[in-house]
Amino acid sequence: GENVEQHPSTLSVQEGDSAVIKCTYSDSASNYFPWYKQELGKRPQLIIDIRSNVGEKKDQRIAVTLNKTAKHFSLHITETQPEDSAVYFCAASIVVGISSGGSNYKLTFGKGTLLTVNP
Amino acid sequence: DTGVSQNPRHKITKRGQNVTFRCDPISEHNRLYWYRQTLGQGPEFLTYFQNEAQLEKSRLLSDRFSAERPKGSFSTLEIQRTEQGDSAMYLCASSPLRRGARGYTFGSGTRLTVV
Repeated sequence: GENVEQHPSTLSVQEGDSAVIKCTYSDSASNYFPWYKQELGKRPQLIIDIRSNVGEKKDQRIAVTLNKTAKHFSLHITETQPEDSAVYFCAASIVVGISSGGSNYKLTFGKGTLLTVNP
Repeated sequence: DTGVSQNPRHKITKRGQNVTFRCDPISEHNRLYWYRQTLGQGPEFLTYFQNEAQLEKSRLLSDRFSAERPKGSFSTLEIQRTEQGDSAMYLCASSPLRRGARGYTFGSGTRLTVV
């Protein structure tokens, strides 16, 4: 089955700096890669995702890049703020039939990165 | 909040007791998923339903675990003869059929502590 490795496990940055979290996956058939943010005691929330037919996607201060050949993808947060402090999880999934709405279900998660943004 | 609702939020039980958790998904979501999250780990897939049918069970779901979704709406996850290793956060998620993994909404989870 799929295996997702995530690094680093902890990351501390100063407010305003950039943060980068990296993940690798094992199953070349994986084609959907979401990132979730989980604050202490709260539910995981999707912050950005990317499909394998795209190399990069950006949403304001957050961007994700995907290298299918190397089977790795990364989350980039620029101009970090204290409210960005949380645990971030990458995940991978095989979604079949994207053009017809997709028909997969299971996410395989990395172990998470605890990001601390120091004011 | 009309999202995914899980009850109870916290459960403390003695080893060997049975526990049952409930998940109420977003009403129009056909798919419902259970995940387990232990401290310092990402969520791990346990099982999922499409309407009332349980379509896959992970090898993590031992014979002490059973999940149901009898009418295709809410779901229950029961753990029999709990063990300390069952202590974890149990997360439920739901998604519309046509979005699958791309449309997850997670609940806030039930934190189980087995003493």
